[in-house]
Amino acid sequence: KQEVTQIPAALSVPEGENLVLNCSFTDSAIYNLQWFRQDPGKGLTSLLLIQSSQREQTSGRLNASLDKSSGRSTLYIAASQPGDSATYLCAVKGYSTLTFGKGTMLLVSP
Amino acid sequence: NAGVTQTPKFQVLKTGQSMTLQCAQDMNHNSMYWYRQDPGMGLRLIYYSASEGTTDKGEVPNGYNVSRLNKREFSLRLESAAPSQTSVYFCASSDLSGVNQPQHFGDGTRLSIL
Repeated sequence: KQEVTQIPAALSVPEGENLVLNCSFTDSAIYNLQWFRQDPGKGLTSLLLIQSSQREQTSGRLNASLDKSSGRSTLYIAASQPGDSATYLCAVKGYSTLTFGKGTMLLVSP
Repeated sequence: NAGVTQTPKFQVLKTGQSMTLQCAQDMNHNSMYWYRQDPGMGLRLIYYSASEGTTDKGEVPNGYNVSRLNKREFSLRLESAAPSQTSVYFCASSDLSGVNQPQHFGDGTRLSIL
């Protein structure tokens, strides 16, 4: 059974810092890995999707990497802003469904 | 620009009552999903429908039933609600034109069972 772990569970940083969120998974037989953002009381918003054949994806200040053989992914956020405060979830796609980690709650203070 | 719409947004039930959570998407997606999100547990898949006319169990299907009414709509029914079903329920959809398509989520239904 696929298991997804996210570290740290919570992170608090001052505005402007670069930061890294970590995700690990136990079964490397995946189609893709997705990073989502969840704001309080809201649903999930897809940020980046890395296909199993890819090493990384970038969108604006976000960069996600994937090392499928070691079962690891990182989400790098450059020059963090208070608006980045949210919970970030990692999910891996098996044959037909996604398995989610429990998320990293990020707080960026002005 | 609705995307995935869930109704109701909030609901309080008494133990033993039944209700149906509604979900509709306007993106012409083939696949639809129901998740529950609980503190400390993350999101867990209840049921999914890979395409119109098919449904499959996910990780936690007990106590729930689903209906894929048409391509747009996927409902989740609690026949006899239990306090353990208190949770936030999310519906999602994705396009099956390729396996590498992101899922799009609704804003959730917050369900409390007393």
